[in-house]
Amino acid sequence: DAMVIQNPRYQVTQFGKPVTLSCSQTLNHNVMYWYQQKSSQAPKLLFHYYDKDFNNEADTPDNFQSRRPNTSFCFLDIRSPGLGDAAMYLCATSAEGQTGVTEKLFFGSGTQLSVL
Amino acid sequence: GDSVTQMEGPVTLSEEAFLTINCTYTATGYPSLFWYVQYPGEGLQLLLKATKADDKGSNKGFEATYRKETTSFHLEKGSVQVSDSAVYFCALSDSSYDKVIFGPGTSLSVIP
Repeated sequence: DAMVIQNPRYQVTQFGKPVTLSCSQTLNHNVMYWYQQKSSQAPKLLFHYYDKDFNNEADTPDNFQSRRPNTSFCFLDIRSPGLGDAAMYLCATSAEGQTGVTEKLFFGSGTQLSVL
Repeated sequence: GDSVTQMEGPVTLSEEAFLTINCTYTATGYPSLFWYVQYPGEGLQLLLKATKADDKGSNKGFEATYRKETTSFHLEKGSVQVSDSAVYFCALSDSSYDKVIFGPGTSLSVIP
């Protein structure tokens, strides 16, 4: 029944060691998002894809990259994780178009990233 | 830029108590407003929404009314249950872009 699936649920990496988080969806939604959520804080949008059109937030560090090889999959790459990158990373999808109002996001359960 | 402000938590209530979580927003356009809920260890789920002024969103006994004059979207429930314990996020989506901005969240604990 899961519609937005994130793997792994928990990820541990070492300081400076590249890490990739994955997200897949069965909803066939054209928009996919990556949010970073630190403890007791609001989810912070890192970037989103409208189909293959990549939209980066102005304050997203260059250390964070993303790939979307097809409609179903989206990846978050952290090139050189720092201690401050430890957080929950949430993937979400929506079906609304680029000129419409996004009315509902479907979230995965998240990947909790620890950096040692 | 657009933003969302929520009352700070944590909020602790006894079962069957009345709940209000305040939310105000700043937006340049005419946003849609949402409440999302996050249960422990899970992602966020849409709880309710309102797309224009004076609309009331409701779901699972929760309600919120879009008040343009006060730029508010307060969440209410008449009688909370232990199962309502979660973090609640107020959010907005503006017609100028296809993304959602979240408030900081309010943690609710309901004790028997």
